[in-house]
Amino acid sequence: QKEVEQNSGPLSVPEGAIASLNCTYSDRGSQSFFWYRQYSGKSPELIMSIYSNGDKEDGRFTAQLNKASQYVSLLIRDSQPSDSATYLCAVPPQAGTALIFGKGTTLSVSS
Amino acid sequence: DTAVSQTPKYLVTQMGNDKSIKCEQNLGHDTMYWYKQDSKKFLKIMFSYNNKELIINETVPNRFSPKSPDKAHLNLHINSLELGDSAVYFCASSQRSGRLMNTEAFFGQGTRLTVV
Repeated sequence: QKEVEQNSGPLSVPEGAIASLNCTYSDRGSQSFFWYRQYSGKSPELIMSIYSNGDKEDGRFTAQLNKASQYVSLLIRDSQPSDSATYLCAVPPQAGTALIFGKGTTLSVSS
Repeated sequence: DTAVSQTPKYLVTQMGNDKSIKCEQNLGHDTMYWYKQDSKKFLKIMFSYNNKELIINETVPNRFSPKSPDKAHLNLHINSLELGDSAVYFCASSQRSGRLMNTEAFFGQGTRLTVV
């Protein structure tokens, strides 16, 4: 069974700190990895995608991928209260298949 | 210029009724999906539909049936609704074919279904 695992949290950080969100996946054949953010009562929105081992930076967000360890993470620098949301890791088990989501990590940024 | 739109946004109905949720995407994507998000916020794939190929999550009861009149629309019909069907249902789309497999999925705003 294909699985994507995340710590459900809540993860609480003070404003300005770095928030670190982690995700592991079970299928070694996975080639694409996505992070979505979901505010309460809203739909998931894509914030990062990563396809190769290493780091990918976009503004305050950095995604890190280690395929050997089947691990993908999201770092949020200079966390803001507006970053408070649930962060969903999504991985398609094989190319062309539907995204399988983790259960999400709830992040709370206090001002 | 909504990318993925679904209607209705809220649906309250009695047990045993039949209901439909409609979804449309104007992104030109070739694949559409239905996801169910339960009360614990777990987002679970129900169906994916690509060029008339339907892939069903085996855990989905056959009371749920997707219908796609064309590649821009994927509706969800639910027969004999049960209390446990209460959840938020999200439609999504992505471009699956071509060189870039598994581009990101874009989600509709969700339909909150409450069965009473």
